[in-house]
Amino acid sequence: DTAVSQTPKYLVTQMGNDKSIKCEQNLGHDTMYWYKQDSKKFLKIMFSYNNKELIINETVPNRFSPKSPDKAHLNLHINSLELGDSAVYFCASSQKSTSSEQYFGPGTRLTVT
Amino acid sequence: AQSVTQLGSHVSVSEGALVLLRCNYSSSVPPYLFWYVQYPNQGLQLLLKYTSAATLVKGINGFEAEFKKSETSFHLTKPSAHMSDAAEYFCAVIGGGSEKLVFGKGMKLTVNP
Repeated sequence: DTAVSQTPKYLVTQMGNDKSIKCEQNLGHDTMYWYKQDSKKFLKIMFSYNNKELIINETVPNRFSPKSPDKAHLNLHINSLELGDSAVYFCASSQKSTSSEQYFGPGTRLTVT
Repeated sequence: AQSVTQLGSHVSVSEGALVLLRCNYSSSVPPYLFWYVQYPNQGLQLLLKYTSAATLVKGINGFEAEFKKSETSFHLTKPSAHMSDAAEYFCAVIGGGSEKLVFGKGMKLTVNP
């Protein structure tokens, strides 16, 4: 009965590879997000989708491409992985309201070697 | 642009002592403010939020925060620390026309026996 789930929890891969992280929420929320948490614990938004429509697209490399097949799912595909992509990636969801709290998934720790 | 400042990176208290984690915000309009907690190797969990209803906000696990417009602050407190409170705490702001949740850099709380 996990509210926001992500797979995989850990991802270790080599530079140059392409990988995907999947996210699903069963809260009935309209909006989903991807955040990146760096080694210093700093959290920054990457993307946001509302009802499958991209509404926030921060200045991230275009090697990162989000895809939302439906409003309960938001996947993150990363091409040509680089060492600097190593981080923890969090998915989150919320109601479509600025004052609504965001519910976070458990995170995916990506390590690029 | 909205921002929050969490001065310092680490706070250490004794079990049973007062917990005070400071957060100052910068916003041109009244914002929505949040405190999240992150336990080791987990996602973020909402502690409490301010959405202009009441200036003193009570959250989970005995935490509360007071919104002070004159001081642009939203400090988090707990009267008596418990060992289980050891975690990373993040203050965050959203609003004023922006749909991005902006996080502070976090504060690691250590509770000593």
